[in-house]
Amino acid sequence: DIQMTQSPSTLSASVGDRVTITCRASQSISNWLAWYQQKPGKAPKLLIYKASRVESGVPSRFSGSGSGTEFTLTISSLQPDDFATYYCQQYNSYWYTFGQGTTLEIK
Amino acid sequence: EVQLVESGGGLVKPGGSLRLSCAASGFTFSDAWMSWVRQAPGKGLEWVGRIKSRVDGGTTDYAAPVKGRFTISRTDSDDTLYLQMNSLKNEDTGVYYCTTDHSDRYALGNWGQGTLVTVSS
Repeated sequence: DIQMTQSPSTLSASVGDRVTITCRASQSISNWLAWYQQKPGKAPKLLIYKASRVESGVPSRFSGSGSGTEFTLTISSLQPDDFATYYCQQYNSYWYTFGQGTTLEIK
Repeated sequence: EVQLVESGGGLVKPGGSLRLSCAASGFTFSDAWMSWVRQAPGKGLEWVGRIKSRVDGGTTDYAAPVKGRFTISRTDSDDTLYLQMNSLKNEDTGVYYCTTDHSDRYALGNWGQGTLVTVSS
């Protein structure tokens, strides 16, 4: 099974900061990588698919990059609404697996 | 507007069964691949399984922890997705989300609000 490892697990940042979250796959997944944002008590929301494509309606400050085994989610200038937990998700063969999540906290 | 509304969650004893439903609206349900994702209390997301559209064969795929115990089905005439859960274990406890599964993106685009399943004696 492909394992997804996110780093860091927790990130403290301030409004206006540029932040990057990393997701590593245990083997190559080409560009089949998505990113989600989840706020407490709410369902996740798709932000990025195919590693770098921004979902419709998602603010342009969110971007994704990477291929193979290493991927990043970047928020160019943090807004108060961005403090949440972020998950990566890979597709390989028949199933999906998620990373363990990165919680973005207010510093 | 896409809407997914799950129902059927509740408290069940270990070894018991439960069937979840997901009522879909706002899109052509019969054309859509659909997935279930769960989240244990305070934990991360775990994909449970998917069902493809009838035109793509209507086949199902399952995560290893639920294979052989859970069954995903759909009724396109009613725009409804189901998750039949048998031989439930304590570790199946969590919020279960119904999602659209974009076959061209392999990503989960729309999510319901979730329904809580608690497996406990």
